[in-house]
Amino acid sequence: TQLLEQSPQFLSIQEGENLTVYCNSSSVFSSLQWYRQEPGEGPVLLVTVVTGGEVKKLKRLTFQFGDARKDSSLHITAAQPGDTGLYLCAGSDNFGNEKLTFGTGTRLTIIP
Amino acid sequence: EAGVVQSPRYKIIEKKQPVAFWCNPISGHNTLYWYRQNLGQGPELLIRYENEEAVDDSQLPKDRFSAERLKGVDSTLKIQPAELGDSAVYLCASSLGRANTEAFFGQGTRLTVV
Repeated sequence: TQLLEQSPQFLSIQEGENLTVYCNSSSVFSSLQWYRQEPGEGPVLLVTVVTGGEVKKLKRLTFQFGDARKDSSLHITAAQPGDTGLYLCAGSDNFGNEKLTFGTGTRLTIIP
Repeated sequence: EAGVVQSPRYKIIEKKQPVAFWCNPISGHNTLYWYRQNLGQGPELLIRYENEEAVDDSQLPKDRFSAERLKGVDSTLKIQPAELGDSAVYLCASSLGRANTEAFFGQGTRLTVV
């Protein structure tokens, strides 16, 4: 069973601060996705990273895939209240098996 | 273009009663997932379909849960009989498949078993 552990589980910071969320596994993934979920809604895809060491930026969000494709990080610069939500990483094993496994989640609260 | 549509949004039932959830994926998406999500946690896969074939149902509690995806389009997930521990949000998602696993989710069905 592939397990994706996210840390921290909860994070509450002031508006304007920076933060990093981590997603770690002992398994290798062919790609890794990050989603954000708001209350009462399904997760929404933010980004997909495919290549080991890859870095993608989405406005104030920076995503990095580990060199060994076992871990990933999400860094938010100058957090805003609109960033509040549940952040989920999800690993895809499509080495002949297109299974999408989700991490344990990080609940982020940005205080105005 | 319509996204993934799920119904109902909310369902409250007594334990031991049956319940069914319905999902219509994005048109053209071959892969359909059913996930269960407990409050504040990540979704856990119940079953994955490639077209009409269930290719991964290892996490589906088959004594009480069943699913079908006739004609490879919409899908239903059934629980019979429901237990208190089944209270959760049931999420349906779809993706293009063929190595593209970027998933698009419905709003989910929040099930409360009392």
